[in-house]
Amino acid sequence: AQSVTQLGSHVSVSEGALVLLRCNYSSSVPPYLFWYVQYPNQGLQLLLKYTTGATLVKGINGFEAEFKKSETSFHLTKPSAHMSDAAEYFCAVSDHSNTGKLIFGQGTTLQVKP
Amino acid sequence: DGGITQSPKYLFRKEGQNVTLSCEQNLNHDAMYWYRQDPGQGLRLIYYSQIVNDFQKGDIAEGYSVSREKKESFPLTVTSAQKNPTAFYLCASSIAAATEQYFGPGTRLTVT
Repeated sequence: AQSVTQLGSHVSVSEGALVLLRCNYSSSVPPYLFWYVQYPNQGLQLLLKYTTGATLVKGINGFEAEFKKSETSFHLTKPSAHMSDAAEYFCAVSDHSNTGKLIFGQGTTLQVKP
Repeated sequence: DGGITQSPKYLFRKEGQNVTLSCEQNLNHDAMYWYRQDPGQGLRLIYYSQIVNDFQKGDIAEGYSVSREKKESFPLTVTSAQKNPTAFYLCASSIAAATEQYFGPGTRLTVT
């Protein structure tokens, strides 16, 4: 069965610093992986996804993630944090069965300090 | 504009009452999902539907019911049997199984 682990429930960075949010997955088949962002009291917005092909995936708002099969990781990065990046971030892996459901990590809250 | 709408944004009910949360999409997606979100627990799947007139239980279906009579609508009823209904409820849809899901803005339900 697939599972997702996000290391660190809270991450704090200074404005302009590198953002690194960690995600490790477990999957018995080649995974489809996703990162979502959630602002307070709002729904989730897709940041980026990996299905097949290039392992470095670029998303919206300057975020990118790299699929590393050998490390079973899909970490999210952004070179320079903005105050507007403060939010909760969720990593998810797709259930390859016919359900199509996503298995979500517990989420990481990103704080950006001025 | 295409998207997913959920209404209302905030909902308050007394314990013992059933309540129905609305979810509508105009993306022409076949699959729809209901998730429950509690602080520190991520998202948990309640029900999902991959086609009209068919739906399946997710991981925490007890105390909930759904219907899928139209492709664009997937309402969720929180029944009085749900022991802890206060939560943030998110509806999502996808064009097909295993593809990315698009989320609505959510409904925050408070039961007292």
